[in-house]
Amino acid sequence: GAGVSQTPSNKVTEKGKYVELRCDPISGHTALYWYRQSLGQGPEFLIYFQGTGAADDSGLPNDRFFAVRPEGSVSTLKIQRTERGDSAVYLCASSLNGRDNGGEQYFGPGTRLTVT
Amino acid sequence: GQQVMQIPQYQHVQEGEDFTTYCNSSTTLSNIQWYKQRPGGHPVFLIQLVKSGEVKKQKRLTFQFGEAKKNSSLHITATQTTDVGTYFCAAFSGGGADGLTFGKGTHLIIQP
Repeated sequence: GAGVSQTPSNKVTEKGKYVELRCDPISGHTALYWYRQSLGQGPEFLIYFQGTGAADDSGLPNDRFFAVRPEGSVSTLKIQRTERGDSAVYLCASSLNGRDNGGEQYFGPGTRLTVT
Repeated sequence: GQQVMQIPQYQHVQEGEDFTTYCNSSTTLSNIQWYKQRPGGHPVFLIQLVKSGEVKKQKRLTFQFGEAKKNSSLHITATQTTDVGTYFCAAFSGGGADGLTFGKGTHLIIQP
């Protein structure tokens, strides 16, 4: 079966621009997570969806970041007025039913965002 | 917020030597997960530990969860070149939230 997919794999944008990053989770997984990973660091939690709703958005760094999952499947991470400090690999992960079902998270390949 | 500290940051070993990475938290953890990330790849789940003092083995890998559920370790016996990568421990954030807090990882470098 297909794993978690993310598009685009690479995105280069200019400072101040708006970007959208897409995540397609494993079919049937109700839990979806966004993380970002800077070079040499571990993934940093951004937001968690259970179904269509954002159950925990405590990791979003500021109000320039927003994510949606309107039909409980595909999710889009949106970043407004990008800054150079937003450059990182944005990882999406899904799990069958969140922490209650073993909590194993399956990660996608990531989108490498570079803000120039 | 909750933090998990990992040591060492880097570990160079000769192929065939053993390797251990340690993960520590100042607070009691509900559970802990371990992930492996190959160079240029994404994190891949290895295991989850839940019970105090739990020990789990996967072939050459041995995972332990401390009695106080504040520390964990991953030990690899007789490393192989395929073990190269970064090993992360991760724990669920406090308050029942589902987002994982990752350590900074231990980068395993193997010299043939």
